[in-house]
Amino acid sequence: GAVVSQHPSRVICKSGTSVKIECRSLDFQATTMFWYRQFPKKSLMLMATSNEGSKATYEQGVEKDKFLINHASLTLSTLTVTSAHPEDSSFYICSAQGGAHLNTEAFFGQGTRLTVV
Amino acid sequence: AQKVTQAQTEISVVEKEDVTLDCVYETRDTTYYLFWYKQPPSGELVFLIRRNSFDEQNEISGRYSWNFQKSTSSFNFTITASQVVDSAVYFCALTLFMEYGNKLVFGAGTILRVKS
Repeated sequence: GAVVSQHPSRVICKSGTSVKIECRSLDFQATTMFWYRQFPKKSLMLMATSNEGSKATYEQGVEKDKFLINHASLTLSTLTVTSAHPEDSSFYICSAQGGAHLNTEAFFGQGTRLTVV
Repeated sequence: AQKVTQAQTEISVVEKEDVTLDCVYETRDTTYYLFWYKQPPSGELVFLIRRNSFDEQNEISGRYSWNFQKSTSSFNFTITASQVVDSAVYFCALTLFMEYGNKLVFGAGTILRVKS
């Protein structure tokens, strides 16, 4: 399968600061990237869908000013958690879709565990 | 609406036992994909299988097997002769086709604990 790299894998930040998480498709062009959030012992909930060169589409209830998503190239999407608070602590995971995999499946990054203190 | 139900929250078995994880889905689409993923404690999602809605053949891969029954909208996953390394959270997922990309709808997950 295709390779998606997510960085960082873990991050601890102070309340009020912003954190940027990167998601890169290493061996294919990702026309669409998805950002999921997972609370402890819960399922993955889609936060937003981003298409290269256009604004992200956010799921209902997700604050777009809080979770800034940029998909500036076909291999990179970023999620920035702005003015982070302890309740933003969670596991964030991206997936990418495109190229030969456009209509079949998305490939997941390794995930980022964010802790806001 | 698209929905995936994994009714088993947690299953505990002893090593070498067989275990089946249930997955029931709802969709209005006639074309869709179903997936199973494994999530070990490290957090990454490990892809196990993708099944096209038009392919109802059951599949076996080593100790893993999948039973896809369109008539009952189920896509169950069986691990034969379970091992401690199988302990993880397992997610069943359904593709939701959108204009801007095919997103996945996940079930709640089933925690599998295999004891030695």
